[in-house]
Amino acid sequence: EIVLTQSPGTLSLSPGERATLSCRASQTLSSNYLAWYQRKPGQAPRLLIYGASSRATGIPDRFSGSGSGTDFTLTISRLEPEDFAVYYCQQYGSSPETFGQGTKVEIK
Amino acid sequence: QITLKESGPTLVKPTQTLTLTCTLSGLSLSTTGVGVGWIRQPPGKALEWLAIIYWNDDKRYSPSLKSRLTITKDTSKNQVVLTMTNLDPVDTATYYCAHRAHGSASPLDYWGQGTLVTVSS
Repeated sequence: EIVLTQSPGTLSLSPGERATLSCRASQTLSSNYLAWYQRKPGQAPRLLIYGASSRATGIPDRFSGSGSGTDFTLTISRLEPEDFAVYYCQQYGSSPETFGQGTKVEIK
Repeated sequence: QITLKESGPTLVKPTQTLTLTCTLSGLSLSTTGVGVGWIRQPPGKALEWLAIIYWNDDKRYSPSLKSRLTITKDTSKNQVVLTMTNLDPVDTATYYCAHRAHGSASPLDYWGQGTLVTVSS
């Protein structure tokens, strides 16, 4: 089973600042099958990024994904008020699929 | 528009069996590549992938829960059913179903709103 470790656990930032979230895999991901999801209280998770760097439909371009192999990054270039949430990475190239433990982006 | 909706009991007693249904609209379970999976999130904890079933009836399970889970689909009703046996309070969680369009090499692009299941006597 591939373990995904996200860091930091919590990121305290102000609107307009840049957020950089990390996701590290315990082994190389098959074809960079890594996704990022945003989770807000009371809402379903929302797909942001797939294939490590492709934005899902309707996702603003302030969200970007990068990385390959075992190290991946989600960057939010300028935080908007609606971006404060918990973010999860997921690998879907190897069964069982696994999620990271999440990074909470909170208002400073 | 693709939507998924979970349904099932909100309260289950320990040792009982949980049956959850995911009803899909705007898509067909018989479409090549379509998969529907189940994911849960205990209060205050991370997302945990449970199982998935594909259009061709291929199934995958979480190894740690495999002995307790069964996933099936009813194409005529456009529903996916997850059964979990021998429930324990640690199984208390919000259970989500989610869709993928292009087999195992695609992300979970549509999710239901989730249903909270509490395991308590």
